[in-house]
Amino acid sequence: EVHLEQSGGEIKKAGESLEISCKASGYIFARYWIGWVRQLSGEGLEYMGLFYPGDTDVRYSPSFEGRVIISANTSITTAYLRWATLTSSDTATYFCVRGPLYGGNIYFDFWGPGTLVTISS
Amino acid sequence: SSDLIQEAAVSVTLGQTVSIMCQGDSVRSSYVSWYQRKSGQAPLLIVYGNSLRPSGISDRISGSKSGTTASLTVTTAQADDEADYFCACRDSNGDPWVVFGGGTRLTV
Repeated sequence: EVHLEQSGGEIKKAGESLEISCKASGYIFARYWIGWVRQLSGEGLEYMGLFYPGDTDVRYSPSFEGRVIISANTSITTAYLRWATLTSSDTATYFCVRGPLYGGNIYFDFWGPGTLVTISS
Repeated sequence: SSDLIQEAAVSVTLGQTVSIMCQGDSVRSSYVSWYQRKSGQAPLLIVYGNSLRPSGISDRISGSKSGTTASLTVTTAQADDEADYFCACRDSNGDPWVVFGGGTRLTV
């Protein structure tokens, strides 16, 4: 059974750094894209980016490129989302997602429970 | 990137059928997926490849696409169908790979 277990909620201050994690299990980690989707409070979903463990390829949404780093450690089947400098606009729930391909298009078949990140100014 | 437009809210009477629309240029050249999000829960994939249902998803849910509009149809609506529904597809420009619609709140 596929399972994405995310790290716990975080309360940080603006200007600090942060890394949250997503431990994947139940499938061959290297064969699927894994990434992150953001949900601002009361708002919709925003795709942030994806990492392919098989060849370490990483793709970012232009809205997030340069603002976050997405990575993964294949040996422990864990993906990461890292900020070097947090701002209050990063306050949101972050979902880890698994992304298989269908006809060359990504979709998200499994979601983690979400990690709530709260940033105070 | 282009936008995917969804109605903000749709309502349906218990037992009736409702369709939720998702419109945008990217829809024409992409496979559309749909996600159901209930309050306090992570989103759930309910349709991918325009019309395919993952294992375990009710056959009361179906997806279709025509031109620049994708549709999600819920037949014999139940109280448990009340949720937010989001469409998604690949951006027609290739980036950012995935774009989400703004979401539709379905009230039963």
